[in-house]
Amino acid sequence: DAKTTQPTSMDCAEGRAANLPCNHSTISGNEYVYWYRQIHSQGPQYIIHGLKNNETNEMASLIITEDRKSSTLILPHATLRDTAVYYCIVIVGGTASKLTFGTGTRLQVTL
Amino acid sequence: DAGVIQSPRHEVTEMGQEVTLRCKPISGHDYLFWYRQTMMRGLELLIYFNNNVPIDDSGMPEDRFSAKMPNASFSTLKIQPSEPRDSAVYFCASRGQGVTGELFFGEGSRLTVL
Repeated sequence: DAKTTQPTSMDCAEGRAANLPCNHSTISGNEYVYWYRQIHSQGPQYIIHGLKNNETNEMASLIITEDRKSSTLILPHATLRDTAVYYCIVIVGGTASKLTFGTGTRLQVTL
Repeated sequence: DAGVIQSPRHEVTEMGQEVTLRCKPISGHDYLFWYRQTMMRGLELLIYFNNNVPIDDSGMPEDRFSAKMPNASFSTLKIQPSEPRDSAVYFCASRGQGVTGELFFGEGSRLTVL
């Protein structure tokens, strides 16, 4: 599975959009980009995933560059409850894949 | 749906004691994963099952650790004997056949070995 690089930490003001970048320059054509987050003391929570098209759901939007070497998770209106560690993970599609979590980005949403 | 259920939520034990952590996956999910999280090593995959059969246990740290899945609705992770370095939060997760990377995690079992 491709390696990912994320900033260690980021800050965002409440109500503003939080844009979390992820670099995955060695991604292969059959690898998906997944995003999870972990709020303090809780289990990780799935947010969104994509292959090459941009994706949006009720939680966030995922923007993948045309060359697929990087992506951005967007929380359109961050709240204090979005303070968490956000993990970007790249895995091969298929039922046997297993997730490997890196160190992620610690997002702090402030008033 | 109740989600993935883990027990106990907290366990404090003394070195050398046996520890058993339990997990009930989401009904209908075919895959079950055990992860461990520490400050030093982050989230590590220990083992995962498919249809109750262990598929990959390469992350199990040593022979003191064992995991079983006797049926589709129950799994255990056992540590015998426990050591202080086993102190961590242990997460169980499950998923169905469809979306490869969409795992549902439990709330975790926080283990402290004195």
